[in-house]
Order: sequence, then C-alpha cells, then structure tokens
Amino acid sequence: GAVVSQHPSWVICKSGTSVKIECRSLDFQATTMFWYRQFPKQSLMLMATSNEGSKATYEQGVEKDKFLINHASLTLSTLTVTSAHPEDSSFYICSARESTGAETQYFGPGTRLLVL
Amino acid sequence: KQEVTQIPAALSVPEGENLVLNCSFTDSAIYNLQWFRQDPGKGLTSLLLIQSSQREQTSGRLNASLDKSSGRSTLYIAASQPGDSATYLCAQEDSSYKLIFGSGTRLLVRP
Repeated sequence: GAVVSQHPSWVICKSGTSVKIECRSLDFQATTMFWYRQFPKQSLMLMATSNEGSKATYEQGVEKDKFLINHASLTLSTLTVTSAHPEDSSFYICSARESTGAETQYFGPGTRLLVL
Repeated sequence: KQEVTQIPAALSVPEGENLVLNCSFTDSAIYNLQWFRQDPGKGLTSLLLIQSSQREQTSGRLNASLDKSSGRSTLYIAASQPGDSATYLCAQEDSSYKLIFGSGTRLLVRP
C-alpha cells in the first residue's frame, strides 16, 4: 500500500522556538494532505487541509499564523509550529489522499512534539 | 456540528471472543465511513472504508456495517486475538474528504 512518512518522529524544543514537521507521500502524488493533532487519550482533531499550490484551509479555532502550512509539491507538506509553547505539546499526524481520486487516505506515523 | 461517538470507550475480552464496536454519527450526508486502528504512540492503520452507497465491508476477521438512516456503524471482530489489542477509531468523511474522528474504543484481548 501507499506510504506516508513524517519527519522528525519526535522533537523536544524550548518554549518560543519554531518547529517544522515534514509529511511526505513516498510512492504517490497527493494533491491534498491533512494535518491532525492528538492530545493524550483524546482522538484526532483536524487542524487544516493542505492543498498543493494554494493556501491551506484551517479549521475553526486553529491559528493560521501559529501553524504555518506549506504544500509546495505533490509529495511534500510541511507544518511549522511557530513560537511553540508547552500547550502545543501534542502528537501531530498527517494524512495524504492520492491525486488519482482513490478514496483512501494514508496516514503518517506521527510526530510527537514536547515543548519545555 | 458534526459529531462522532464511539461506545464503549474501553473493552477487555478473553481471547477467542467475537466482539462488536459501535460508532454513531450525526451527519446524514456522510460521504464515507472509515474504521482505523491505532497502536500506542503510533499513527493510524486503515482497516475498512464503507462508501455511503454501501452497507458493509469485510476484510478477514473484520466486518463493518453502515446504516445511514440511523447514523450508526459497527465493527465486528471475529475470534479476537491478543494482537488485536489497540485503539479502534471510526471517522466520518464528508465530500471535501475531511475526517471527523470519534474518541475511540480501547480494546484489550487477554490471552
């Protein structure tokens, strides 16, 4: 099946720094990628929809200036958490949907962020 | 507001039992309904996808049903095994491919 990778798999940073997370579709092209956040013992919450070549669409309550999304190619989307604070500590997961229109979304393995 | 609810929140069964996980959703205009598995600290593995025009899907020991009229889906796991222990998430997908997830059912299959 299709593979989606995320890098890094985990990151620890100091409060106030920015962290970039990459999401790559390894063997398929993805016009659309999605970014989710999962707090401990909670379910996944959609943060934003990332569209190749255009601005991301953010869900209500998600600050677009804090969570910068760039989808510069059909295989790569990046999420940058700017000026991270301890409350941003979470598990960030991306998913990618094939450009061919197949129904299934493929999920990355997730990135665990800890802000000290 | 679209909501997805899963019952029970946690389940512990002995190996070999057949079990049913429940999912209810509020959006009657559902596009697809998906079931995922998540192991601790890991990403998601897609198990079954049911399109809105379908009533069920099967894969091995797993069978998922969809009843749009009642807003319910069930995941049936036959002859459960310890390796089935994980959190099972259902998610409704709308026409823009956004997934709304339930809170999950944490399953433990005891040897």
